[in-house]
Amino acid sequence: DADVTQTPRNRITKTGKRIMLECSQTKGHDRMYWYRQDPGLGLRLIYYSFDVKDINKGEISDGYSVSRQAQAKFSLSLESAIPNQTALYFCATSGPTGTNYGYTFGSGTRLTVV
Amino acid sequence: AQTVTQSQPEMSVQEAETVTLSCTYDTSENNYYLFWYKQPPSRQMILVIRQEAYKQQNATENRFSVNFQKAAKSFSLKISDSQLGDTAMYFCAFMKLFNDMRFGAGTRLTVKP
Repeated sequence: DADVTQTPRNRITKTGKRIMLECSQTKGHDRMYWYRQDPGLGLRLIYYSFDVKDINKGEISDGYSVSRQAQAKFSLSLESAIPNQTALYFCATSGPTGTNYGYTFGSGTRLTVV
Repeated sequence: AQTVTQSQPEMSVQEAETVTLSCTYDTSENNYYLFWYKQPPSRQMILVIRQEAYKQQNATENRFSVNFQKAAKSFSLKISDSQLGDTAMYFCAFMKLFNDMRFGAGTRLTVKP
């Protein structure tokens, strides 16, 4: 099984619908992140969480919300999806505190809003 | 805020040759980490190489090496003996200590047979 699992892998949804992207990890990492990838823009940070009680906005949090249900689970919600939220979404983890070996990424969720 | 710039949107190289991908960054920090990630068509993000800013020695991983110029805030990736499997998007990334990671826009590399 993958260390970081994202579901669904692909999703097409309609404008105005609420959608949740889920992420779970078996790394035992405290830190979890949500990024979106757009062509020509790279990956941009949406939200991050350094532990279960800690949630922080990233550079592009408008239109998104998150929930850290447990150390291993971090979900991203689009309350009312719009077409410019069409993108590839990545969940990532890092840790333990005191080391910086980069992230472990999930395999991404490709979201299309029509 | 830290910014990461990859000035080459696309590059190509012949199989078995060497190619260098450029990356510059802007920061006022002294301690940080730099990374190169590879994203093949499978879209998985794969760590290629990592460099600690406090180390002067350039990191190497088999055919991959970096040229880290701290004063110039430059972090280029050299791929030697390019292989068809190296075809991918490559992202340069910056991370402050105990913080989140910031990415460049990416360079699409095509290795031609």
